[in-house]
Amino acid sequence: DGGITQSPKYLFRKEGQNVTLSCEQNLNHDAMYWYRQDPGQGLRLIYYSQIVNDFQKGDIAEGYSVSREKKESFPLTVTSAQKNPTAFYLCASSAREAGSNQPQHFGDGTRLSIL
Amino acid sequence: EDQVTQSPEALRLQEGESSSLNCSYTVSGLRGLFWYRQDPGKGPEFLFTLYSAGEEKEKERLKATLTKKESFLHITAPKPEDSATYLCAVQAPGTYKYIFGTGTRLKVLA
Repeated sequence: DGGITQSPKYLFRKEGQNVTLSCEQNLNHDAMYWYRQDPGQGLRLIYYSQIVNDFQKGDIAEGYSVSREKKESFPLTVTSAQKNPTAFYLCASSAREAGSNQPQHFGDGTRLSIL
Repeated sequence: EDQVTQSPEALRLQEGESSSLNCSYTVSGLRGLFWYRQDPGKGPEFLFTLYSAGEEKEKERLKATLTKKESFLHITAPKPEDSATYLCAVQAPGTYKYIFGTGTRLKVLA
């Protein structure tokens, strides 16, 4: 079955450490997204990519970095510059068909905590 | 500013007690409104897309409707398994960004 796989499910970060969250999709979608979800705040966009080798900052990109070297993969690195990284991170993808809105499909998230 | 507001924040229903969730939006040139269901510790699951005012979509006990300013998710005779957070989103005009509301937490009691 096609879908989005996020790993790991749980991740712990030490002070001064960078950590990378994995996101892989086999839906053949061009667009991919990273969101952060905190209680009571809804989903906030970190980065998104419409096509391989191209990505744009979302609303809360500071302290995060991404790469998009393959269509299937969109890893997110939470750097030591992100001072409040504890959150639930969601990866999504969508088709990029001209002239129509397409829904996003989500992975099951990675919960990141500080040690 | 493009914005999506959902109400109520939380809703408790008895099994079989029908109700509606609201999603109001201020977006110029709506290109689509999306409803999702999210269970605790899971990613959102896509339910419906609505494109134009007057459109309705149904799935089991759920029916979504759309007007020019808001959308409703009607839940008919809910069951405990319908308990979840329901999210509404629109796509920002001219971009591939999506704007999400903060969701309605629904609890259906047996």
